[in-house]
Amino acid sequence: GIQVEQSPPDLILQEGANSTLRCNFSDSVNNLQWFHQNPWGQLINLFYIPSGTKQNGRLSATTVATERYSLLYISSSQTTDSGVYFCAVERGTGNQFYFGTGTSLTVIP
Amino acid sequence: KAGVTQTPRYLIKTRGQQVTLSCSPISGHRSVSWYQQTPGQGLQFLFEYFSETQRNKGNFPGRFSGRQFSNSRSEMNVSTLELGDSALYLCASKGNHLSYEQYFGPGTRLTVT
Repeated sequence: GIQVEQSPPDLILQEGANSTLRCNFSDSVNNLQWFHQNPWGQLINLFYIPSGTKQNGRLSATTVATERYSLLYISSSQTTDSGVYFCAVERGTGNQFYFGTGTSLTVIP
Repeated sequence: KAGVTQTPRYLIKTRGQQVTLSCSPISGHRSVSWYQQTPGQGLQFLFEYFSETQRNKGNFPGRFSGRQFSNSRSEMNVSTLELGDSALYLCASKGNHLSYEQYFGPGTRLTVT
């Protein structure tokens, strides 16, 4: 299978600070998604980004497929950004998602 | 458009029992995948269904099974429950087997005592 490594594993930020989460993967992929897991367990889609750069409000993401990594940027963090962020990749279609172990983010007021 | 729904949301079972979980995909989506999330193993793929056919299966014992109906709703069944089956079970849907972006439901939290 594909190995997916996320860093850092834990991150504590003051409200208003910026952060960068990283996802490294071990093989070429057709699909890469970032998710935010809310306190009730649901995975909320943040980005579908197999390559390139996307922005959505205070969040943006960049995937460099040739170098097998993706970055998630969170600017001006808010307490509601707290939770676990997962990167997941898929090779081909109809294949499984391989998830990273997540980055646990805590934003303190 | 309604999202992916899963029922029940919480479940408590006893070792040795069996359980059935249900997932209704986003309207128009025909592919459904199941994942298990535990603190020790993280998120692991169980299986994927498309057009009532299992297309891919993860590395889980045969006690874990599933099926998909003609309306794309899916069920997964776990027989002879073990304590280690306690987990959050997540269902995801996507448009078809050629689609990439997956959307997850709220999950079913299963506790085995």
